[in-house]
Amino acid sequence: EVVLTQSPATLSLSPGERATLSCRASQSVSNYLAWYQQKPGQAPRLLIYDASNRATGIPARFSGSGSGTDFTLTISGLEPEDFAVYYCQQRGNWPPELSFGGGTKVEIK
Amino acid sequence: QVQLQESGPGLVKPSETLSLTCTVSGGSISSYYWSWIRQPPGQGLEWMGYIHYSGSTNYNPSLKSRVTISLDTSKKQFSLRLTSVTAADTAVYYCARGVVYGITGPWFDPWGQGTLVTVSS
Repeated sequence: EVVLTQSPATLSLSPGERATLSCRASQSVSNYLAWYQQKPGQAPRLLIYDASNRATGIPARFSGSGSGTDFTLTISGLEPEDFAVYYCQQRGNWPPELSFGGGTKVEIK
Repeated sequence: QVQLQESGPGLVKPSETLSLTCTVSGGSISSYYWSWIRQPPGQGLEWMGYIHYSGSTNYNPSLKSRVTISLDTSKKQFSLRLTSVTAADTAVYYCARGVVYGITGPWFDPWGQGTLVTVSS
């Protein structure tokens, strides 16, 4: 079972600042990693897949990087609508045992 | 634009079976991994399982003995059954489309709005 650990649990930043979120896997997942954004009372939304590919309609300020066990989601300049909880998700070997990280909350400082 | 909508009882008694249905509209049901994901109040996300259009299924090992996911292609619906529920199964249940890009995924996009199911007598 692959365990995903996200850090920090909470990130307090001001609009316009850069956000850097981390997701670490307990074993290598190659580039089989995605990031989701969840706002209060809403379903999650896919942001990034394959570690670094933006999903359709996702603004360029969102970028993903990493491979193996260490991954990063970067938001280059926080907009008011970006304050939310972010989850990473991995897909292991086939057939996949899928799992999510515990989430990072990005809050307004 | 594909949309998913969950439906089913919002209250289930302990030891009984939770049953939910997800209706897919605005797109094809072919070639995707139709999934259920849940989120206990104030907590993170837990993948429960998926069914492929071909009928093959894959479940979270922690739930495998209690979960069944089925697909009705004629109605463009897929369903979740979770047996022997307890209070720990209280959660918002989401259905989602699992997309595979080449050899990677499935990644979940889009999601239904979610439905809260409470387990209580």
